[in-house]
Parts: sequence; structure tokens; C-alpha cells
Amino acid sequence: AQSVTQLGSHVSVSEGALVLLRCNYSSSVPPYLFWYVQYPNQGLQLLLKYTTGATLVKGINGFEAEFKKSETSFHLTKPSAHMSDAAEYFCAVSSGGNNRLAFGKGNQVVVIP
Amino acid sequence: NAGVMQNPRHLVRRRGQEARLRCSPMKGHSHVYWYRQLPEEGLKFMVYLQKENIIDESGMPKERFSAEFPKEGPSILRIQQVVRGDSAAYFCASSPRQSTDTQYFGPGTRLTVL
Repeated sequence: AQSVTQLGSHVSVSEGALVLLRCNYSSSVPPYLFWYVQYPNQGLQLLLKYTTGATLVKGINGFEAEFKKSETSFHLTKPSAHMSDAAEYFCAVSSGGNNRLAFGKGNQVVVIP
Repeated sequence: NAGVMQNPRHLVRRRGQEARLRCSPMKGHSHVYWYRQLPEEGLKFMVYLQKENIIDESGMPKERFSAEFPKEGPSILRIQQVVRGDSAAYFCASSPRQSTDTQYFGPGTRLTVL
């Protein structure tokens, strides 16, 4: 079975500072990994995904994530936080032919002016 | 290309009533997934359907919950005899094919059971 751990339900970051959201996964087969963002009262929007190939993945809005197999991690970063980055962020994993996405509990990001 | 549509966006039901949640996938998508988001929790997989077929319902509660995706029309998630614990946000996602494809999410239906 696959699972995702996201620590720290609430994350505060100053405007212009680095955003770092941690994601560790568990999967018995090579994983597909995703980061989604959810704005209040909206659905989830895909930020970026890793399936195969290059382990550093760039997404929308200046976000990127690096797949590290040895650490079973897929941490999300953005060099400089913007006020519009305030939202909830979810890491998710699926295992190859398994269509189920397993989500972490999410990180609520607050950007401090 | 319109995104995944869900309606209603908000649904209020009294205990014991039925709730019907509808999901229209993106054009060209034949795979539909339903997820439930409880307060302070991430999304939990419920069911995966293709047209006229349930492929994986391992996340569905054994009683009161059912889902369908008919040949014509939207996918329906049906909850019979709702209880307060069913209050949650229910999200639908769709993809054009299976497995490796990105799932695109709708805005969700927020169900409140009084």
C-alpha cells in the first residue's frame, strides 16, 4: 500500500522567503508523485508531477520538486514566496498501474507580509 | 475546454435523507474518480469508474454509498440515509486514460448533514 507523510499542518513563511514543504512517501513499486494546490472553496490544481526521467521537476508558479529515491522524498520548494502562494498544498502518490491517489494531510501555507 | 464540473457545489441534507452528487468529466475523459475530504484530513480515495463500469471501489464504505458512470450523462455518487459523519467535501477527478495520466479535479461538493 502507498502512503504519504506531510509534517507540519500549518506553515508560515515571510513574503520573499524560501518556501519548503516536505513530503515523504511509501510505495512498494516505483511511484508517481504529485503536488496539488487548493485555494479556499476550490478544487485541487496540479502544480507538478514526477513519473519517470529527470528527478528535478519544475511546475507552475515557480514551484519545483526533487524526487529522491534514497530518501523516499519529494519536497516542494519555491525560492521566493508571494502573497498569492497562500493556500493548502497536498502531496500525493500513485503506484504505477494503480489509479488510486494517496494524499498527505496537507500543508496550510500562510504568507506574512 | 471546460474543466471538471460538479454540482451542486453545496448540499444540505437532514439525517436519513439521500444525497446525490454529480460529476461531469472533462471533454474526452472516460475515467472518473471520487475522493472525500474530511475536516483536517487529506483526500481519501473512494471509487474509480470508467463508462458503465466500476473498476475499483476499495475506498467506498460498504453500506449506503454507491456510484455509477452511465454511458450517457454525468457520474453520480449516491449516499443513502445520510448521517452527520458523511459531512465532508466530495471531489471528483477525471483523466483521459488510466494510470499514468494526471487526474484533473472539480471544485467539489460540500455536503452538510444536519
